[in-house]
Amino acid sequence: DQQVKQNSPSLSVQEGRISILNCDYTNSMFDYFLWYKKYPAEGPTFLISISSIKDKNEDGRFTVFLNKSAKHLSLHIVPSQPGDSAVYFCAASAQGGADGLTFGKGTHLIIQP
Amino acid sequence: KAGVTQTPRYLIKTRGQQVTLSCSPISGHRSVSWYQQTPGQGLQFLFEYFSETQRNKGNFPGRFSGRQFSNSRSEMNVSTLELGDSALYLCASSEGQGNVAKNIQYFGAGTRLSVL
Repeated sequence: DQQVKQNSPSLSVQEGRISILNCDYTNSMFDYFLWYKKYPAEGPTFLISISSIKDKNEDGRFTVFLNKSAKHLSLHIVPSQPGDSAVYFCAASAQGGADGLTFGKGTHLIIQP
Repeated sequence: KAGVTQTPRYLIKTRGQQVTLSCSPISGHRSVSWYQQTPGQGLQFLFEYFSETQRNKGNFPGRFSGRQFSNSRSEMNVSTLELGDSALYLCASSEGQGNVAKNIQYFGAGTRLSVL
């Protein structure tokens, strides 16, 4: 049973536009959410996180939104750049991150010139 | 600061053999977690070590084990390898205690294991 779901395996966006990546979760015990970015042949790189006490967190071009009632979070990238082309993983943890991360299967973001 | 280092980067083994993978965390990090990444299952949590003790464990058979040394370096061992163990094995480190920001996990590049 997948507790963290990323329903879009891939997403294509034009350079300069907004990229929106979505993630749904089922476990109401999750209280901390993270986004990681992964290039081929490299490990995932931490991008941005949000605690369940917040509904938005911003870092430069990246903003994460959390809707606890819908058990949904999204990552917005504005404006999208060619270097943003990568696989993006949504991850969640309970107990403030003290246990292991539960990952979605990833969304491959392709930025078109 | 140097990042998380995993060795070797690539391994080829045959069924029934055993394998040991190594991970050196970021300096000062006391928590090391291991994950398995496969095309079908995505990234799955194996276990986490903190101060030489296994603190959390995922849903994997006992053939998968690990340990952590006093310098926080960690090893993961898989015994009696099966074809399905072919995967990318990722190690991540974090400070492991305190507020959530201190528990952000930083990943190594992984060890690609192929079982023939």
